Amino acid sequence: KAGVTQTPRYLIKTRGQQVTLSCSPISGHRSVSWYQQTPGQGLQFLFEYFSETQRNKGNFPGRFSGRQFSNSRSEMNVSTLELGDSALYLCASSLGGTWDEQYFGPGTRLTVT
Amino acid sequence: AQSVTQLDSQVPVFEEAPVELRCNYSSSVSVYLFWYVQYPNQGLQLLLKYLSGSTLVKGINGFEAEFNKSQTSFHLRKPSVHISDTAEYFCAVSEGDSSYKLIFGSGTRLLVRP
Repeated sequence: KAGVTQTPRYLIKTRGQQVTLSCSPISGHRSVSWYQQTPGQGLQFLFEYFSETQRNKGNFPGRFSGRQFSNSRSEMNVSTLELGDSALYLCASSLGGTWDEQYFGPGTRLTVT
Repeated sequence: AQSVTQLDSQVPVFEEAPVELRCNYSSSVSVYLFWYVQYPNQGLQLLLKYLSGSTLVKGINGFEAEFNKSQTSFHLRKPSVHISDTAEYFCAVSEGDSSYKLIFGSGTRLLVRP
């Protein structure tokens, strides 16, 4: 069974640009969650989608947005990039229940210059 | 608001020695508790989870954790560590039955020395 895949793995952008990251969940999983990991703030929850609906959202500015498609694939978008957005962005998929295990992808390393 | 505290940022230990990584949480409702491991340049892998029932939970790679409700702790233990256990370990909590997000601690780097 293929794991969670994230593309691209590495990305370099300039301040003010926007970026779109992609996540393909494990087959059969309907929930996709996104997390931001930085040395200073650690792992922080961005949002979670289930069957194309956002069920939960973390405390991030509106520049961070996401969506989920009918095949459960998800994208997150960050507009007007700031230096502080440099981070490892992790995607996790699960069957969708509260106690279902979340399987994490390898992440996308975003560097903003 | 719920939070997770991992007091030890780094724990050095010799190979084959026992280790305990500490985790304390605060929450006003019932919680589900998790331990994840992250190897360099990789995502997170679930080691074990506590949902209900027995307070002693066994996970993969010989790890176990004990849920202590009165002390709001969920410490991770392994009786004998290997060099390959060197990694970052994260404790996480999910709150109640209507939450679909994980709140993570700041992580503990386990450094196993030969």
